[in-house]
Amino acid sequence: GNSVTQMEGPVTLSEEAFLTINCTYTATGYPSLFWYVQYPGEGLQLLLKATKADDKGSNKGFEATYRKETTSFHLEKGSVQVSDSAVYFCALSGSNDYKLSFGAGTTVTVRA
Amino acid sequence: DGGITQSPKYLFRKEGQNVTLSCEQNLNHDAMYWYRQDPGQGLRLIYYSQIVNDFQKGDIAEGYSVSREKKESFPLTVTSAQKNPTAFYLCASSPTGGIDEKLFFGSGTQLSVL
Repeated sequence: GNSVTQMEGPVTLSEEAFLTINCTYTATGYPSLFWYVQYPGEGLQLLLKATKADDKGSNKGFEATYRKETTSFHLEKGSVQVSDSAVYFCALSGSNDYKLSFGAGTTVTVRA
Repeated sequence: DGGITQSPKYLFRKEGQNVTLSCEQNLNHDAMYWYRQDPGQGLRLIYYSQIVNDFQKGDIAEGYSVSREKKESFPLTVTSAQKNPTAFYLCASSPTGGIDEKLFFGSGTQLSVL
């Protein structure tokens, strides 16, 4: 079945540091890939997505590239801010079903 | 403003009691979902519905029940058969349930056992 593995946290960074959160997946066919973000006490929000190989999703300074050869969708941001402190979830939807499979989530804390 | 409303924000269940979590959306979305979030485990799908009067089991449906009598409402009942109900429950919706669609999430309900 489909599954997502993302790096364990927590991750603690200083402001303006570079952030990478690794995400790899297992899926049949051609899944769509997503990053969702959850701020404290809230539900999840879509951060970015990519629907086919070599697509790059980007939003709010975050980027992730759909790499089929390495089955990866790593999230990066060049200069983080305190407001980026949140839990980040990698997710995929299969090519023939409607269910999203989520990774375990990575907690990121950015210190001023 | 359009969105998804979950209530209550906090809920406590006694042993042997059924409790119902509310989820309402005014986005005119066809598809709705219930996820359970446990620390360190990400989100797991409980039930989903792509159309009124129809719903499907997700990965962890045992001990839960749902109904979808109206397009805007998808309540989740946690029954006494669910032996470990303490978790954060998230409701979500999407326009048609298509595989590329963005999910819109509510702000969640924290359920605890007394």
